[in-house]
Amino acid sequence: ETGVTQTPRHLVMGMTNKKSLKCEQHLGHNAMYWYKQSAKKPLELMFVYNFKEQTENNSVPSRFSPECPNSSHLFLHLHTLQPEDSALYLCASSQDWATEAFFGQGTRLTVV
Amino acid sequence: AQTVTQSQPEMSVQEAETVTLSCTYDTSESDYYLFWYKQPPSRQMILVIRQEAYKQQNATENRFSVNFQKAAKSFSLKISDSQLGDAAMYFCAYRSPPSGGGADGLTFGKGTHLIIQP
Repeated sequence: ETGVTQTPRHLVMGMTNKKSLKCEQHLGHNAMYWYKQSAKKPLELMFVYNFKEQTENNSVPSRFSPECPNSSHLFLHLHTLQPEDSALYLCASSQDWATEAFFGQGTRLTVV
Repeated sequence: AQTVTQSQPEMSVQEAETVTLSCTYDTSESDYYLFWYKQPPSRQMILVIRQEAYKQQNATENRFSVNFQKAAKSFSLKISDSQLGDAAMYFCAYRSPPSGGGADGLTFGKGTHLIIQP
């Protein structure tokens, strides 16, 4: 049990589907993150939320839409994705900038 | 922008031996944090060790230690007495002070795949 839980663990979706990834942290942290991990590439930071407010969007296409209803929950809404969006999507949380980030086990997304 | 470089895509070591994974980074900041994370096949990213840039002393965590050379912007990880359970992808990561209020994300290297030979 890491304190950061992601669901689902695996997701296969068509390019016209709409789906959502969910992340929940039980650590009392005030910052949450979405990362994308593709083969042969470094982890890419997608979004950062601090105290439920989005503070960073790393030029992510609008087909990815984050939502942070409270400091414990983070969603990533997906629509009209492309096959190149297939990747492992990792959620993380941290207390502040000086502490380490705790990661969930990720959602393996396949777009067909 | 900060960059993190791991020049070894793959490393192999015999069980019980010592291995060093290299990491260099580029930054104009003087205060920052560096991390090594381990990602086994289960995909869980697990913190191995953390180094604060303003601390001269190298961080140590049991069999894991770092060689932090601030002037050279180098942050290598040494694993002593390697065990089969150490087999994983190892990622070096950098975090700078936040630009505004709150935390910013980590910048990761591409990772090093560590193989432990029994």
